[in-house]
Amino acid sequence: DTGVSQDPRHKITKRGQNVTFRCDPISEHNRLYWYRQTLGQGPEFLTYFQNEAQLEKSRLLSDRFSAERPKGSFSTLEIQRTEQGDSAMYLCASSPGTGGLLPPLHFGNGTRLTVT
Amino acid sequence: GENVEQHPSTLSVQEGDSAVIKCTYSDSASNYFPWYKQELGKRPQLIIDIRSNVGEKKDQRIAVTLNKTAKHFSLHITETQPEDSAVYFCAAKGPSQGAQKLVFGQGTRLTINP
Repeated sequence: DTGVSQDPRHKITKRGQNVTFRCDPISEHNRLYWYRQTLGQGPEFLTYFQNEAQLEKSRLLSDRFSAERPKGSFSTLEIQRTEQGDSAMYLCASSPGTGGLLPPLHFGNGTRLTVT
Repeated sequence: GENVEQHPSTLSVQEGDSAVIKCTYSDSASNYFPWYKQELGKRPQLIIDIRSNVGEKKDQRIAVTLNKTAKHFSLHITETQPEDSAVYFCAAKGPSQGAQKLVFGQGTRLTINP
């Protein structure tokens, strides 16, 4: 399977703990996105990378959240001092291309985070 | 910023009938409108998209129409089949050169009754 890969699939953690998720995009895609999806809602944009540069961040991304893409390939999303409100599905997506045109996004299967 | 409203939240149709899902958006300068299908426990998958320079696009049993004046777009599925049962999300992207985010609607749970 050469699609977007996310790890882990599920994560259960206690409130106050830190968690880190990993995303491996489709290899030739230079754009990478993180979205968050809560039950019964559409995905909400968190952040976007073009290669290693983080070019856009949502106001949803509080100072407890940090994302990196150090070599322009895989990306990590870290949540510090988790809160119960952080419980959600964290989706990663990738796409090719440059410029303003938004190519179709390819989503991964997501990491489901449960904060107890 | 962009706001996308989607209706209905649930839709149930008989197999073989047509289904229509509608979305409205707030930013008149938005220029890209994709539709995603998400089956239970699976990733969202793009099924069709339309850019603001066309009014309609069709792919087999699926079509999308765009009315820029009214700021709404719709998904049409004809000859529905049981495998069409899923949650469908519309989305819109603003025109800003640097902006790469999609704003999604709340989703429509489509059930096809055999």
